[in-house]
Amino acid sequence: AQSVTQLDSHVSVSEGTPVLLRCNYSSSYSPSLFWYVQHPNKGLQLLLKYTSAATLVKGINGFEAEFKKSETSFHLTKPSAHMSDAAEYFCVVSNSGGYQKVTFGTGTKLQVIP
Amino acid sequence: GAVVSQHPSWVICKSGTSVKIECRSLDFQATTMFWYRQFPKQSLMLMATSNEGSKATYEQGVEKDKFLINHASLTLSTLTVTSAHPEDSSFYICSARVLAGRGETQYFGPGTRLLVL
Repeated sequence: AQSVTQLDSHVSVSEGTPVLLRCNYSSSYSPSLFWYVQHPNKGLQLLLKYTSAATLVKGINGFEAEFKKSETSFHLTKPSAHMSDAAEYFCVVSNSGGYQKVTFGTGTKLQVIP
Repeated sequence: GAVVSQHPSWVICKSGTSVKIECRSLDFQATTMFWYRQFPKQSLMLMATSNEGSKATYEQGVEKDKFLINHASLTLSTLTVTSAHPEDSSFYICSARVLAGRGETQYFGPGTRLLVL
């Protein structure tokens, strides 16, 4: 069984300040973890992924996430928010076992204030 | 990177009609594609797993006779919403799975917004 919890449904930051979007997971297997971004009325875009290599993963647009097994967390961060970062962000866990099934978090809406 | 397209991007139809949505992997072959639906302000829910050359695997609670899935080739999967009703109005998203090294990645299509009147 696997699950993913995004602790905040809505996060608001000022432009130029750091972004932290929290994600905790549970998985019976060694998981693959992903962060996707969805802009209004658009499809999903992959930001970054963790697949049991380096625990600090760098993605596109300055985002990065750190896999912490002891805390079962995979929080998404960015040093300085930009207006274009305003979107919905989904944390996703994939079962890397025999049957690869993807489970989505409920999403965190990021608001960036000018 | 891998690109997945969906067609149409928008569809409005009358209640009782059937609607077909196509999902294509443009620059790679995908033995497995997935269909999701997303209601407003909610997360994506997996509907079914589409395997090339075999029957789709549906998630619990998804009517296979209502949501017909065909994966006729390694680059195309189709979802047909049969006898659509207003409650089927939703954002339908497909993805294609790519296996690389020790992990997998799913590449998502841009989605199809269905409105049933």
